[in-house]
Amino acid sequence: AQSVTQPDIHITVSEGASLELRCNYSYGATPYLFWYVQSPGQGLQLLLKYFSGDTLVQGIKGFEAEFKRSQSSFNLRKPSVHWSDAAEYFCAVGVESSASKIIFGSGTRLSIRP
Amino acid sequence: DGGITQSPKYLFRKEGQNVTLSCEQNLNHDAMYWYRQDPGQGLRLIYYSQIVNDFQKGDIAEGYSVSREKKESFPLTVTSAQKNPTAFYLCASTLGETSTDTQYFGPGTRLTVL
Repeated sequence: AQSVTQPDIHITVSEGASLELRCNYSYGATPYLFWYVQSPGQGLQLLLKYFSGDTLVQGIKGFEAEFKRSQSSFNLRKPSVHWSDAAEYFCAVGVESSASKIIFGSGTRLSIRP
Repeated sequence: DGGITQSPKYLFRKEGQNVTLSCEQNLNHDAMYWYRQDPGQGLRLIYYSQIVNDFQKGDIAEGYSVSREKKESFPLTVTSAQKNPTAFYLCASTLGETSTDTQYFGPGTRLTVL
C-alpha cells in the first residue's frame, strides 16, 4: 500500500541554522509530492509541490525540496531558519489522479531555539 | 479576500449529541473535503464532494454525514455514532479534482466531547 513517512516527530534548531526535514514515500510510480505547513491551531498552507521536471523545487518562505527517486525521498530544506518558521510540517503524496487520494504524513514539529 | 471559513473555532459537545461544523468557501472551487486531525497523526479524509449534490466517503466516514446543497458550503455533522469525535477538523477545497490541484485549508474547528 502507498504510504508516506516522516521519521522525525520533533526537531529543534537554532535560529539562523539550516534545516532539513525528512520525508519518504512508498509508491511504485512517480508520485505527486507536497509539503504543507501548519501554524498552531491553524489550517495547512502549501509550501511547495512536485509533479515532474526539475527535481529541485522552490517554494514560499525560502523553502526548497528535492525529489530523489532512488531514495524515495522528498526532503524539505531551508538554509537559515527564522523564529517564525516554528510550526508543524506535513509531507503529502498523491498517488492517483484524484485529489481525494492524497496521503499525509504524520508531521514533524519544528521548534526554533533563540 | 478569497478563502475558506470554518465555524465555530471551538465546539464542545455532550455525549449523545449531534453537532454540525460549518465550512464555507468563496474561491469558486468545485471540490471540497473534510479531514480529521489527531495528535501525532496525519490528516485523514472523512468525506469529499466534487460537485454540488454529490459526495463520497473517505477513509473514516463512519459516524459522520455531510451535505453539498450549494457550491460554496459543505457542512459536516458529527453524529452520536462517532465513537471518538474529539479532534481537530479541517475543511479544504480545490479548484479541480485532480491530485495536482492545490488544497486550500480553512483554520479548523476543535471539537471536544465532554
